Amino acid sequence: DGGITQSPKYLFRKEGQNVTLSCEQNLNHDAMYWYRQDPGQGLRLIYYSQIVNDFQKGDIAEGYSVSREKKESFPLTVTSAQKNPTAFYLCASSTSQGDPHQPQHFGDGTRLSIL
Amino acid sequence: AQSVTQLGSHVSVSEGALVLLRCNYSSSVPPYLFWYVQYPNQGLQLLLKYTSAATLVKGINGFEAEFKKSETSFHLTKPSAHMSDAAEYFCAVRVYNNNDMRFGAGTRLTVKP
Repeated sequence: DGGITQSPKYLFRKEGQNVTLSCEQNLNHDAMYWYRQDPGQGLRLIYYSQIVNDFQKGDIAEGYSVSREKKESFPLTVTSAQKNPTAFYLCASSTSQGDPHQPQHFGDGTRLSIL
Repeated sequence: AQSVTQLGSHVSVSEGALVLLRCNYSSSVPPYLFWYVQYPNQGLQLLLKYTSAATLVKGINGFEAEFKKSETSFHLTKPSAHMSDAAEYFCAVRVYNNNDMRFGAGTRLTVKP
């Protein structure tokens, strides 16, 4: 079955430590996204990528970094510069830009907590 | 800038009652609107999307939404709530020729037996 796989489902980070969240899709989608979800705030866009080797900052990119070396993979690194990383992180993908009817498809998320 | 506002962070209904979740959009161009559902510790699942082909859109699990341009609304309804409908619901808007999708803050639906 096609879909988006996020791993791990739960992740714990120590102070000052970088952690990387994995996102893999086999939907052959061009665009991929990372969102952060906090209670009562909906989803906020961290980074997105429309094609391989290219990505753009979203609304809350500070303290995060991404790479897009392969079409199917879009890992997110939460750096030590992110002072409040505890949240639920969602990865999504969609077909190419220009077709606004196409929805975004989501993975099951990674819950990151500070030890 | 395009945005959506969901009225009511929590909605509680009895099983079998009408479900009404409200969403208003702000857009200077024709909006592309979506409703998603999220169950605990899971990702978002598409319920339905507005494509301008019809103002009344039917989705999965018996949900539907009506696009009303005069009211800038896209409210989600279901005639009869089921216990399995308890979840968080998000309205979202996407701008034409732009990958940007803006989500509302979400409405948590509780269904009482």
